[in-house]
Amino acid sequence: EPEVTQTPSHQVTQMGQEVILRCVPISNHLYFYWYRQILGQKVEFLVSFYNNEISEKSEIFDDQFSVERPDGSNFTLKIRSTKLEDSAMYFCASSVHGAIAKNIQYFGAGTRLSVL
Amino acid sequence: AQTVTQSQPEMSVQEAETVTLSCTYDTSESNYYLFWYKQPPSRQMILVIRQEAYKQQNATENRFSVNFQKAAKSFSLKISDSQLGDTAMYFCAFSPPEYGQNFVFGPGTRLSVLP
Repeated sequence: EPEVTQTPSHQVTQMGQEVILRCVPISNHLYFYWYRQILGQKVEFLVSFYNNEISEKSEIFDDQFSVERPDGSNFTLKIRSTKLEDSAMYFCASSVHGAIAKNIQYFGAGTRLSVL
Repeated sequence: AQTVTQSQPEMSVQEAETVTLSCTYDTSESNYYLFWYKQPPSRQMILVIRQEAYKQQNATENRFSVNFQKAAKSFSLKISDSQLGDTAMYFCAFSPPEYGQNFVFGPGTRLSVLP
């Protein structure tokens, strides 16, 4: 069964450093998402992406964050200057366009980001 | 804005017993989707079951079924014949009907299945 893959599984970085979290969505999917889950808290939406542009973003997704689809397979989340409060699990998700899809989002296993 | 509430932060159930996790939501939309996702200790989010709001019939997937009460905006998950592998965090999620719309997640219920 096709799945969303995320790398790395765990990223440790120093405060102020830039990090790039990588995701490979399911190949025929057209919508891509990033969510964040701070330890012990609920999953929060960050951003959605379609047709090479952001379609929606939350208040969390400020100027420190950016997303990109640099090629036909990868979807990345960049945090320019990490803060301690960026420590969280980051989930990538994708969904396919079409009536059959029923709007199901498929999630990757997540990248745990630890900012020291 | 939509909100999702899960009033049970933690629950436990004996193996082979049945447990019901509750979820309520608030929306002004008439059509939408509702989901239950499972997050085991490995942390991956796994789709358990989904329900389309315009369908009266409650969704069922093997041992998992939902009780969808649209008027009450309630969407509970019933797990029958609980297994040790069902131990996980369970999130209820709401999605508008348009594609590409973000999910709104509830705070989660931590379920422990006891041997």
